[in-house]
Amino acid sequence: KAGVTQTPRYLIKTRGQQVTLSCSPISGHRSVSWYQQTPGQGLQFLFEYFSETQRNKGNFPGRFSGRQFSNSRSEMNVSTLELGDSALYLCASRPLKENTEAFFGQGTRLTVV
Amino acid sequence: AQSVSQHNHHVILSEAASLELGCNYSYGGTVNLFWYVQYPGQHLQLLLKYFSGDPLVKGIKGFEAEFIKSKFSFNLRKPSVQWSDTAEYFCAVTLSGYSTLTFGKGTMLLVSP
Repeated sequence: KAGVTQTPRYLIKTRGQQVTLSCSPISGHRSVSWYQQTPGQGLQFLFEYFSETQRNKGNFPGRFSGRQFSNSRSEMNVSTLELGDSALYLCASRPLKENTEAFFGQGTRLTVV
Repeated sequence: AQSVSQHNHHVILSEAASLELGCNYSYGGTVNLFWYVQYPGQHLQLLLKYFSGDPLVKGIKGFEAEFIKSKFSFNLRKPSVQWSDTAEYFCAVTLSGYSTLTFGKGTMLLVSP
């Protein structure tokens, strides 16, 4: 069974630009969550989607948005990039059952210059 | 808001030494508890999890953790570490019935051969 796949693996963008990151969950997993990992703040929750609807959102500005498609694939978008958005963005998927863990992808390393 | 504290940011051990990494959380309700590991250049992987039942949980690669509800703790242990255990270890919590993970800041373990 293929794991969680995130593309691209690496991105370099300029301040003010926007970026879209993609996540394909494990087959059969309908919940997708996004996390931001930085050396200073650690791992912070961005948002969770299932059934194409955002179910939960972390404490991030509105520049961070996401969506989920009918095949459970998800994208997150960051507009008007700032230097502080440089981070590893992790996607996690899990089945919609109680008492299940999240499975993480390898992440997209975003560098804003 | 719930939070997770990991006591040590960096731990250095020699091979065959015993390991205990501390994790405390601040929430009085029913929680699910996890330890994830991130090996250099790899994705976050689940070491072990606790949902209910026996508070002593055994995971992969000889790791175990004990949930002590009265102390709000979920410490990770391994009797004898190996060089290959060099990695960053994250404790994480979810509220029961929810899937949003709150992570500790992580502990970087370096095992010298």
